[in-house]
Amino acid sequence: DTAVSQTPKYLVTQMGNDKSIKCEQNLGHDTMYWYKQDSKKFLKIMFSYNNKELIINETVPNRFSPKSPDKAHLNLHINSLELGDSAVYFCASSQGLAGPREQYFGPGTRLTVT
Amino acid sequence: AQSVTQLGSHVSVSEGALVLLRCNYSSSVPPYLFWYVQYPNQGLQLLLKYTTGATLVKGINGFEAEFKKSETSFHLTKPSAHMSDAAEYFCAVSNFGNEKLTFGTGTRLTIIP
Repeated sequence: DTAVSQTPKYLVTQMGNDKSIKCEQNLGHDTMYWYKQDSKKFLKIMFSYNNKELIINETVPNRFSPKSPDKAHLNLHINSLELGDSAVYFCASSQGLAGPREQYFGPGTRLTVT
Repeated sequence: AQSVTQLGSHVSVSEGALVLLRCNYSSSVPPYLFWYVQYPNQGLQLLLKYTTGATLVKGINGFEAEFKKSETSFHLTKPSAHMSDAAEYFCAVSNFGNEKLTFGTGTRLTIIP
């Protein structure tokens, strides 16, 4: 029973396209996150939602738009994809805001923009 | 502001040898410290964490880490490396009331048979 799941696992698309990545957690957590991991494995937070409310919005281009229809889902929509968007995107969840709490990560979505 | 520095982007040890992965942090308030492991093509998994109390923290798979406030360090150790320990290891820091977990740049651990 997967705790945090993401779809799709791989996404190959051309520059200029619009794509979405979906994330679902069945842990009953109230906080969800999107992270971007670049080719050097550097992991940086993009967004965080707590009870469907946007808490963290790092300096991410506004081509990236997260949407949280309910506490168990956090989707990421990307408009006008660019080469530099190629990365692995991880969804995570926790019970409560980060602080001392463990975050549970999904398996990642490898996005390749050509 | 908070940050994490992991010394050594790549560490190689022989099977059965001591594993030592270094992490130094910067935080203006008492930190919460974490070590996560990422196996190839997988998400991150928590190894251990320090919040308060005992400064020597034991985690899964025989790993442990010691919080040293005077040295602002949280190094990860394991007495005897196993082939299955080969992975990427991330140190991370947060603090009370902070919504954000800040990661280091990671250390790739290779185990030599």
